[in-house]
Amino acid sequence: GAVVSQHPSWVICKSGTSVKIECRSLDFQATTMFWYRQFPKQSLMLMATSNEGSKATYEQGVEKDKFLINHASLTLSTLTVTSAHPEDSSFYICSASDPSSYNSPLHFGNGTRLTVT
Amino acid sequence: GEDVEQSLFLSVREGDSSVINCTYTDSSSTYLYWYKQEPGAGLQLLTYIFSNMDMKQDQRLTVLLNKKDKHLSLRIADTQTGDSAIYFCAETHNNDMRFGAGTRLTVKP
Repeated sequence: GAVVSQHPSWVICKSGTSVKIECRSLDFQATTMFWYRQFPKQSLMLMATSNEGSKATYEQGVEKDKFLINHASLTLSTLTVTSAHPEDSSFYICSASDPSSYNSPLHFGNGTRLTVT
Repeated sequence: GEDVEQSLFLSVREGDSSVINCTYTDSSSTYLYWYKQEPGAGLQLLTYIFSNMDMKQDQRLTVLLNKKDKHLSLRIADTQTGDSAIYFCAETHNNDMRFGAGTRLTVKP
């Protein structure tokens, strides 16, 4: 079945540094990928929609200069958390829709746990 | 508030049936999904139902959809300890997906 690979699965960084998270669709082409953030005991919150070859669409309240998204190819989207702070610590998950599949469900990566010290 | 609502916790005994309920608000949702999240992992698609269906069965899983009441349920027959996880229902419309807060299912031996 369709697989979305997310890397790294966990990362610890110091305050002020930047962290890049990769999301790859392994056996299908995804023109659109989604980035979510999950706070403890809460649902996933959609951060942005990543569109191949164009600018990402950010949800209200999400700082686009802080969470840089690049979708340079049909199989790769990256999320860079710039100048990370402890409040950015969270679980980040990407997903992609397989347009060739009958119902185009979203397939999720395994998530990245970011801890900013 | 949430567009998709679920109760937060459910506890059952091993071997019993589990029923997880969900209400949604967008009557134009095309598909409704159930996802499972095990600790530390991403969401795993369990099953889905098209909005013009009332029921879908897949092995131990049964999905019921009451479109009039905008109510979705997931029944797990013969619940096992390995079913312990958080279950999210989700609705999708025009490629936008909205999730409930998740129901934490605990299965006691």
